[in-house]
Amino acid sequence: SQQGEEDPQALSIQEGENATMNCSYKTSINNLQWYRQNSGRGLVHLILIRSNEREKHSGRLRVTLDTSKKSSSLLITASRAADTASYFCATDAGEYGNKLVFGAGTILRVKS
Amino acid sequence: GAVVSQHPSRVICKSGTSVKIECRSLDFQATTMFWYRQFPKQSLMLMATSNEGSKATYEQGVEKDKFLINHASLTLSTLTVTSAHPEDSSFYICSARDILRDTKDTQYFGPGTRLTVL
Repeated sequence: SQQGEEDPQALSIQEGENATMNCSYKTSINNLQWYRQNSGRGLVHLILIRSNEREKHSGRLRVTLDTSKKSSSLLITASRAADTASYFCATDAGEYGNKLVFGAGTILRVKS
Repeated sequence: GAVVSQHPSRVICKSGTSVKIECRSLDFQATTMFWYRQFPKQSLMLMATSNEGSKATYEQGVEKDKFLINHASLTLSTLTVTSAHPEDSSFYICSARDILRDTKDTQYFGPGTRLTVL
């Protein structure tokens, strides 16, 4: 079953603006990961944040994790048209095999 | 590094036939591979966890006799959709973990296989 819930479901912004996507989950986790998927393509790993971390940066990406609220956010700063894609959070509960449970995803459209 | 390939990228088959999808880790050893299914405009749903040299672990609701998984080597896992029906039409994506890397918690995803059953 899906663990992660993401909001918004869809987000449309102008190039140069920031985009914020949120993810909530239900159980304890080992880590939480964010992925990007361009239409009809595979997934690209963006960033991983562990349960003992609160914030992580990678280029224009900033991820926060609040384990007390079981939520995470992904911020993309100074968005570009090429950032247009679906973004998924995925939780790793550290169970056998380190399987990932994906959220429903946010469709981001950056208009140039 | 950490490239995962899938073959074929697209397949169209008739109802009742079987289709085999290959997932390969090209530059690393993957003791564990995962198979996901994604319906249009939906998220990825884990179907099964494939371990090299042992039986796959299937998620609840996934028929193991319909979705046969074989992980015969450290670089190859196959998913066979047996007696395919139109409702099996979906995007199938595999992923693999490189346990020897520092980023062993990261899964590397293949480009996906679009299956259409007529």
